[in-house]
Amino acid sequence: KAGVTQTPRYLIKTRGQQVTLSCSPISGHRSVSWYQQTPGQGLQFLFEYFSETQRNKGNFPGRFSGRQFSNSRSEMNVSTLELGDSALYLCAISSGDGDTQYFGPGTRLTVL
Amino acid sequence: AQSVAQPEDQVNVAEGNPLTVKCTYSVSGNPYLFWYVQYPNRGLQFLLKYITGDNLVKGSYGFEAEFNKSQTSFHLKKPSALVSDSALYFCAVRDMRTLGNEKLTFGTGTRLTIIP
Repeated sequence: KAGVTQTPRYLIKTRGQQVTLSCSPISGHRSVSWYQQTPGQGLQFLFEYFSETQRNKGNFPGRFSGRQFSNSRSEMNVSTLELGDSALYLCAISSGDGDTQYFGPGTRLTVL
Repeated sequence: AQSVAQPEDQVNVAEGNPLTVKCTYSVSGNPYLFWYVQYPNRGLQFLLKYITGDNLVKGSYGFEAEFNKSQTSFHLKKPSALVSDSALYFCAVRDMRTLGNEKLTFGTGTRLTIIP
C-alpha cells in the first residue's frame, strides 16, 4: 500500500493572493494526480503528472498549475485566488501496477 | 466521456442490517471501477476495485461490490452494518482504453448513516 503526505494541512488566504500546495509520496511513485473537492462541484480532476511531465489536465482555468520534481514530489499553484477556490485539495499516487490511486489527507484551503 | 451516478445522497441503515450503496457508470470502453470512503476532514480511503475477472469483489472492512455489465452498475454492499461505517462513500470510474491516463471520474457521493 502506497502512502502520501500533503502540506500544509490547512491554509487561509485572501482573495487575489496565490498559494502553493505540496504533495510528497512516501516512496517513489512516478504518477501524481490532483483533485479539488467542493460541496457544490464534488470531486474534480485537476491534472496528472508522470515523470515530471503533465500527462492530463482537467477543465480548470490557467490560474491552476502544477509541476513534479525528479523525486516525484509535486506542487500545485493557484494564482489570483477567488472565493470559489476554497476547497479540499487532494493528491493521489498510483499503485505499483498503476491500477489504483491512493489519496493523501488533503489540504483544506479557505479563501477569505 | 466517462461518468458516474450515485442516485442516493443519503442512505440510513440500522446497525446490524445489510447495506447497499448504489452506483451506475458510463464509459466508452471497459471500466475500471472503484469505491472510496471519506471520513470527516480526511482524504479518500480506498475500499475495493473491479478491473476484470469475478464480478463480485471483496474489499476492506467487510465491504464487497458486484459488477453488473448489463446494468452498468457497481453497487457497494455489506452484510451487517456497523456504526463505524458511517461516512461519505464515492464511486469512481476509469476507462481501460485510456491506460496511461490516471484520471478518475467520481460520483457525487452518498452519505451513509448507520443508526444504533
